[in-house]
Amino acid sequence: QVRLLESGPGLVKPSETLSLTCTVSGASVTDGDYFWAWIRQSPGKGPEWIAIVYRDGGTYYNPSLKSRATMSIDTSKNEFSLKLRSVTATDTAVYYCARQAGRFSGAGLDPWGPGTPVSVSS
Amino acid sequence: QSVLTQPPSASGTPGQKILISCSGRDSDIGSNAVNWYQQVPGTAPKLLIYNDDERPSGVPDRFSASKSGTSASLAISGLQPEDEADYYCSTWDDSVSDSYVVFGGGTRVTVL
Repeated sequence: QVRLLESGPGLVKPSETLSLTCTVSGASVTDGDYFWAWIRQSPGKGPEWIAIVYRDGGTYYNPSLKSRATMSIDTSKNEFSLKLRSVTATDTAVYYCARQAGRFSGAGLDPWGPGTPVSVSS
Repeated sequence: QSVLTQPPSASGTPGQKILISCSGRDSDIGSNAVNWYQQVPGTAPKLLIYNDDERPSGVPDRFSASKSGTSASLAISGLQPEDEADYYCSTWDDSVSDSYVVFGGGTRVTVL
């Protein structure tokens, strides 16, 4: 069974960099059939797709976050990460990682991790 | 404001059938497959429908979906109390050079 688990700081100060890691078990991040994704959800709103990374380190970003976000992958640890720079209160959300079956694939995001809440506050 | 438009709420009594709509554009629903997710409050979204109308293993067949043009819909037949949740449609958006995934604002389903 594929499982993903997010880890992060919980609280970040405005203007600082948010760093999150997703640890994958039951599957390998080197599986060529999948991308690995970050999604966030602000309170009371729909999910917002942030970015995806492939096993070779190739990345694709949401245009609205591209200038501040950087995804990376560590195949030796079977995990991938997200860094979001210059955070503000609008970046407060629950951050999820998930597996994505290919770019442009209609197979969707499955499974998702349980999510990690992040609050941006001084 | 979400790229895909969904009604904020829908409701029905146990056993009823309800429909949830999802409206988009040529560059998203009109060009790409639609996914639907179910989110019970306090938990992560779960894939409910993929490739417009296919159910992952384990999803009850009372959930069905369809797509026509730039709109999609999710049907829940024989509504059950455990179906009370938020439902989101999602697809790829090709309106920019780097396509990305977009979601609807969600529909809260209440079982009366």
